[in-house]
Amino acid sequence: EAGVTQFPSHSVIEKGQTVTLRCDPISGHDNLYWYRRVMGKEIKFLLHFVKESKQDESGMPNNRFLAERTGGTYSTLKVQPAELEDSGVYFCASSRRGAPYEQYFGPGTRLTVT
Amino acid sequence: DQQVKQNSPSLSVQEGRISILNCDYTNSMFDYFLWYKKYPAEGPTFLISISSIKDKNEDGRFTVFLNKSAKHLSLHIVPSQPGDSAVYFCAADDGGTASKLTFGTGTRLQVTL
Repeated sequence: EAGVTQFPSHSVIEKGQTVTLRCDPISGHDNLYWYRRVMGKEIKFLLHFVKESKQDESGMPNNRFLAERTGGTYSTLKVQPAELEDSGVYFCASSRRGAPYEQYFGPGTRLTVT
Repeated sequence: DQQVKQNSPSLSVQEGRISILNCDYTNSMFDYFLWYKKYPAEGPTFLISISSIKDKNEDGRFTVFLNKSAKHLSLHIVPSQPGDSAVYFCAADDGGTASKLTFGTGTRLQVTL
């Protein structure tokens, strides 16, 4: 079984530019989560999809962040326009409907905004 | 405000000895707790979990203890092995529909030979 994959692994952009991160969850996992870790601090929840629907987006920092999950499969997280404080590692995780706590994480995308 | 706290940023233990990683939480609504292990350039990997109705869960060399009255949990690794060297994150969930995890800042464990 393939794990959660994320693309790109690393992105360096200038302040004001746009970046789109992609996550492919484990096949069959209805739950998809985005988390972020900034400057070696705690990993913080951003939002949760159940299939294509946003279940909880209470962790999204502001309206510069837009997440979508097309057809309940892969998900994208767009940051537009990027600010310096958006730098960090963005993790995607997925889990089965019957086991929401058992979240499998991808390797993360390291975003650096200069 | 940080609801899950790991006050020790690092821990060094000799191979074969016991590693004890600690975690405190403030939110009394948390009812499920997990430990994740993370290697550099990889995502966190689920290690072990415990429900709030239990006070201990064991899986091989890993045991998690939960003290609800003290809002404290710990992860014991016995015996510690060099491959256990990683960052360990404590996480908690409040049992809501979102199943969003609240993480601590992590403890870096180094197991020395």
